Amino acid sequence: AQSVTQLDSQVPVFEEAPVELRCNYSSSVSVYLFWYVQYPNQGLQLLLKYLSGSTLVKGINGFEAEFNKSQTSFHLRKPSVHISDTAEYFCAVSRRGNKLVFGAGTILRVKS
Amino acid sequence: EPEVTQTPSHQVTQMGQEVILRCVPISNHLYFYWYRQILGQKVEFLVSFYNNEISEKSEIFDDQFSVERPDGSNFTLKIRSTKLEDSAMYFCASSEDSLNTEAFFGQGTRLTVV
Repeated sequence: AQSVTQLDSQVPVFEEAPVELRCNYSSSVSVYLFWYVQYPNQGLQLLLKYLSGSTLVKGINGFEAEFNKSQTSFHLRKPSVHISDTAEYFCAVSRRGNKLVFGAGTILRVKS
Repeated sequence: EPEVTQTPSHQVTQMGQEVILRCVPISNHLYFYWYRQILGQKVEFLVSFYNNEISEKSEIFDDQFSVERPDGSNFTLKIRSTKLEDSAMYFCASSEDSLNTEAFFGQGTRLTVV
């Protein structure tokens, strides 16, 4: 079975500073990896995904993530955050063709 | 841009009542899912549905739950006799391909059981 650990429940950061949201997963088989964002009172929106190929994945809104197989990590990064990035971020994993397994979420709070 | 639509956005129901949560997936998608998120907890998988039958369900999805695609556009989740612990945000999702390389989520229905 797959599992996902998001190491930080909340990350406060000042506007224009860089940020990294950490995600580790466990699985005995190859998986797909995803980051979703949930803005207040909205649904889940896909930020980016890793299916195969290049380990550095670029997504929407200037976010990127790097798949590290040896460390079973898929950390999300942004070089300069905006107030509008304040939201909850979910890391998720799936086996090919199967359900998504989510982490507990990380609340990113961007301060001015 | 195509989107998954869920109705209602918020439903309050009395314990023991039946509720039906409705979803309109993206029109060319064939794979449908329900997830739920109890306040303060993880988003959890409930059920997946393909070709008019359940393809996978979680332990949460017991006999009180059922899903249906009554016509070509709607995908519903029914809870037969609601319990207080069913209070949660319920998300519908759909995917175009069998590998589930990208699931699109609706805005969610917040169910409050009183």
